[in-house]
Amino acid sequence: GESVGLHLPTLSVQEGDNSIINCAYSNSASDYFIWYKQESGKGPQFIIDIRSNMDKRQGQRVTVLLNKTVKHLSLQIAATQPGDSAVYFCAERAPAGYSTLTFGKGTMLLVSP
Amino acid sequence: DAGVIQSPRHEVTEMGQEVTLRCKPISGHDYLFWYRQTMMRGLELLIYFNNNVPIDDSGMPEDRFSAKMPNASFSTLKIQPSEPRDSAVYFCASRRQGTEAFFGQGTRLTVV
Repeated sequence: GESVGLHLPTLSVQEGDNSIINCAYSNSASDYFIWYKQESGKGPQFIIDIRSNMDKRQGQRVTVLLNKTVKHLSLQIAATQPGDSAVYFCAERAPAGYSTLTFGKGTMLLVSP
Repeated sequence: DAGVIQSPRHEVTEMGQEVTLRCKPISGHDYLFWYRQTMMRGLELLIYFNNNVPIDDSGMPEDRFSAKMPNASFSTLKIQPSEPRDSAVYFCASRRQGTEAFFGQGTRLTVV
């Protein structure tokens, strides 16, 4: 999920496939991470979160993996559906800035029927 | 709950005009955030409030931007005078202590 200037990284998958969206975060002191989904014309919507004392957390059809050694976060979506098409953002919160989140640039997921 | 409510949804204004964006947070949420989203810079935090008090405004780009929260149910972000480079989608978000942030639908601002 690295930014490439004006163009968002894009992941194209077929309906029913599993999707993996990656994110490299910047602050090794960050202790809380969130994935948001943003559909066209809407605000970001919470999907799942994970604290730094965990390396995996599962939700409904989604799993977040955290690798603190390499400062990497991933979001796995099982059995991807056309309704999953959106831009996905990871966000991190550093303890010093307890109340605020720093967002990544986002990855666009396109799901073909 | 209706969620975070922002108005207007779209605003087109001429350069030099004053623009006021409005936000009603979710009832009971004591944190309120203003973000700006552009393709070039992504989501940037402009300012946030806790219990109606501005805590960190280091993200406000310049003095043309100001934000207020006169009470727990209302906040404004004002740009005066507006410039074309202010064109972006502005989001308001709110949360309670220990929960994730809930975002409004955003205001798409175009300054011509």
